[in-house]
Amino acid sequence: ETGVTQTPRHLVMGMTNKKSLKCEQHLGHNAMYWYKQSAKKPLELMFVYNFKEQTENNSVPSRFSPECPNSSHLFLHLHTLQPEDSALYLCASSQDLGGGSYEQYFGPGTRLTVT
Amino acid sequence: GQNIDQPTEMTATEGAIVQINCTYQTSGFNGLFWYQQHAGEAPTFLSYNVLDGLEEKGRFSSFLSRSKGYSYLLLKELQMKDSASYLCAVMDSNYQLIWGAGTKLIIKP
Repeated sequence: ETGVTQTPRHLVMGMTNKKSLKCEQHLGHNAMYWYKQSAKKPLELMFVYNFKEQTENNSVPSRFSPECPNSSHLFLHLHTLQPEDSALYLCASSQDLGGGSYEQYFGPGTRLTVT
Repeated sequence: GQNIDQPTEMTATEGAIVQINCTYQTSGFNGLFWYQQHAGEAPTFLSYNVLDGLEEKGRFSSFLSRSKGYSYLLLKELQMKDSASYLCAVMDSNYQLIWGAGTKLIIKP
């Protein structure tokens, strides 16, 4: 257990569906992240939040919409996805941004399949 | 562009030593991280280097040479449970982590 939980662990959705991924951290951290992990590819940073404010959006398509209602919760809303969006979506948190020694703690991920 | 290179896969024998290399080219440098990821699980933090030299932590050690853009993770007395992917990541000048694709380590008895 890393102190970061994600639900659901597995999700299958059609291209016309709308679904949401949820992440919760119990570590008192101020920064939270969404990553996409595809097979044999580097982790892709999607969004970064610090103190509930979005600080990074790495050219992510608008069919992915993040929400951070407080420092402990992070959502990723999904709509009209494409099959190439099938991947493992990882949430992470860290004490703060900046200060290079702040390691990130990852949740177990949501395995998303778009049919 | 920014780039992190590490071998795709390595195989080693239980009880032996293995060295996983990582080379990087990034815009700025604020430290290098190694993470371990077992299949189907979350990545977990192993080590952090920001100064040149060797950091030792039990059976695992991590080395950094900033002038060469090079790091390695050294695993000693390998155990079957060490079979996993090992991810190298560099924090750039914007304090964002740039990740390598990971090295899958297979341990054979």
